Amino acid sequence: GDSVTQMEGPVTLSEEAFLTINCTYTATGYPSLFWYVQYPGEGLQLLLKATKADDKGSNKGFEATYRKETTSFHLEKGSVQVSDSAVYFCALTNAGNNRKLIWGLGTSLAVNP
Amino acid sequence: ETGVTQTPRHLVMGMTNKKSLKCEQHLGHNAMYWYKQSAKKPLELMFVYSLEERVENNSVPSRFSPECPNSSHLFLHLHTLQPEDSALYLCASSQDATGFYEQYFGPGTRLTVT
Repeated sequence: GDSVTQMEGPVTLSEEAFLTINCTYTATGYPSLFWYVQYPGEGLQLLLKATKADDKGSNKGFEATYRKETTSFHLEKGSVQVSDSAVYFCALTNAGNNRKLIWGLGTSLAVNP
Repeated sequence: ETGVTQTPRHLVMGMTNKKSLKCEQHLGHNAMYWYKQSAKKPLELMFVYSLEERVENNSVPSRFSPECPNSSHLFLHLHTLQPEDSALYLCASSQDATGFYEQYFGPGTRLTVT
């Protein structure tokens, strides 16, 4: 079945550092890919998405490119802030599984001033 | 209130208690969801409601009983839970249950079963 694998955390960075959180997926066909973020004490929020190969999703300085050849959707940000400290989840939906969200385990990010 | 709200935010209950979790969405959506979030495990979809009708039940034990009286409210009734049921329970809503629309999540109820 479809699955999502993301790098284990926690990731600890200093403010203004470059961030990469790796995400790879296994799915048949052409899934849509998502990054969700969960700030402390809050629910998950959609951060960005991409629905077809080579699409780049972007929001709040974060970017991720849908790479079908490597089945990846890595999250990047050029300069992180303390306020980016959160848990980041990679997920996919696929027509073959009724478009249910399939989730990664989440990666915790802590940014220090 | 805006978005998706959940009450209570924290709940401690004994294994013999009966309690209910409440979710309310103020977005005019027609689909609502219950998820379980446990450490070291992916989010688990428990139930899906579309227009107050349950459309999905993912092999959830009967000690969890959902109720959707209208499209804005969703409850999860809990009875005789086990310690392994301790988790963050998240409610979400979306425009419909087709999977084409973004899901909006509430802040969750942190449940501890003693």
